[in-house]
Amino acid sequence: GDSVTQMEGPVTLSEEACLTINCTYTATGYPSLFWYVQYPGEGLQLLLKATKADDKGSNKGFEATYRKETTSFHLEKGSVQVSDSAVYFCALQTAGNKLTFGGGTRVLVKP
Amino acid sequence: GAVVSQHPSRVICKSGTSVKIECRSLDFQATTMFWYRQFPKQSLMLMATSNEGSKATYEQGVEKDKFLINHASLTLSTLTVTSAHPEDSSFYICSAAGHQNQPQHFGDGTRLSIL
Repeated sequence: GDSVTQMEGPVTLSEEACLTINCTYTATGYPSLFWYVQYPGEGLQLLLKATKADDKGSNKGFEATYRKETTSFHLEKGSVQVSDSAVYFCALQTAGNKLTFGGGTRVLVKP
Repeated sequence: GAVVSQHPSRVICKSGTSVKIECRSLDFQATTMFWYRQFPKQSLMLMATSNEGSKATYEQGVEKDKFLINHASLTLSTLTVTSAHPEDSSFYICSAAGHQNQPQHFGDGTRLSIL
């Protein structure tokens, strides 16, 4: 079945450091890929998405490129802020709009 | 952007009480709504998928009689936790999607605590 694997956290960084969260997937067909962010006590917010191979999703300084050859969708940000502290979920979507989530990666950015 | 409202945000009840959680899409018609459960520091577990006007499809291991889902309109779905017990305490999150292959938009979640 479909699955998403992302690096375990927590990831602790200093402000202005570079962030990379690895995400790989297995799926039948051609899924859409997403990154969601969850702030403490809240639901999930869509951060970015890509719907086909080589697409790059970007938002709020975050980027991720849909790599079909490596079945990956790594999340990157060049300079993090304290406000980026959250849990980040990689997910894929197949037919029927059903999402399969990775385990989540907690990111803590210190001033 | 698309907005999904979930209510209540927090509820504390005695064991044996039934609790209803509402999920509304405020600015779009949601043909499909999803209900998730999230345990502390874990990922989201899909409980069920509901399409407007039809019965919900439950994931394996989720009790249909325990978690009643109604999707009576294109903007509202409800989850009722019947005769809740402490083990039902969790963070419940709904999401809604418009058309096929559209992204899901999430509510802010409901923290349910059963004493």
